[in-house]
Amino acid sequence: GDSVTQMEGPVTLSEEAFLTINCTYTATGYPSLFWYVQYPGEGLQLLLKATKADDKGSNKGFEATYRKETTSFHLEKGSVQVSDSAVYFCALTQGAQKLVFGQGTRLTINP
Amino acid sequence: SAVISQKPSRDICQRGTSLTIQCQVDSQVTMMFWYRQQPGQSLTLIATANQGSEATYESGFVIDKFPISRPNLTFSTLTVSNMSPEDSSIYLCSVARTENQPQHFGDGTRLSIL
Repeated sequence: GDSVTQMEGPVTLSEEAFLTINCTYTATGYPSLFWYVQYPGEGLQLLLKATKADDKGSNKGFEATYRKETTSFHLEKGSVQVSDSAVYFCALTQGAQKLVFGQGTRLTINP
Repeated sequence: SAVISQKPSRDICQRGTSLTIQCQVDSQVTMMFWYRQQPGQSLTLIATANQGSEATYESGFVIDKFPISRPNLTFSTLTVSNMSPEDSSIYLCSVARTENQPQHFGDGTRLSIL
């Protein structure tokens, strides 16, 4: 079945550092890809999405590009802030809207 | 995006009891889903709540343990039945306006079973 693999965490960075969280997927069709963020004690928020190959999703300084040739959707941000500390989930869906999540990556940003 | 309210936000329950979680949306949506997030883990889909018909359950989840109702396009409930400590998790409702729209999540219900 479909699956999503994220880089293992936790990830700890200093403020203003460059962030990359790797995400690769396995799917039989042409999935839509998502990044969700979960702040402490909260539910999931949709961060960005891409629905077809070479699409770039972006929001709040975060970006991810749908790479069909490498089956990847890596999350990047040029300069992280303390407020970006959260758990980040990569996910895919196709057809019937069932979301398949990666294991999540806990990000901590130190001032 | 839609405003999604989940109740209760958290609860501590005794084993063997049941708890019903409510999910209310401020606008009509086609798709509603229930997920489970076990401690320190990712999310797993329990079922798709279908309006006016029986929910569609994922492998490993059964209706007797997790009965779901969806009486209209803005409301759904999930019951966790005959709870045991293994049911301690965060239960999240998500909605999508149509099949082609992304899912948005409520804040979840944090459930602990003693």
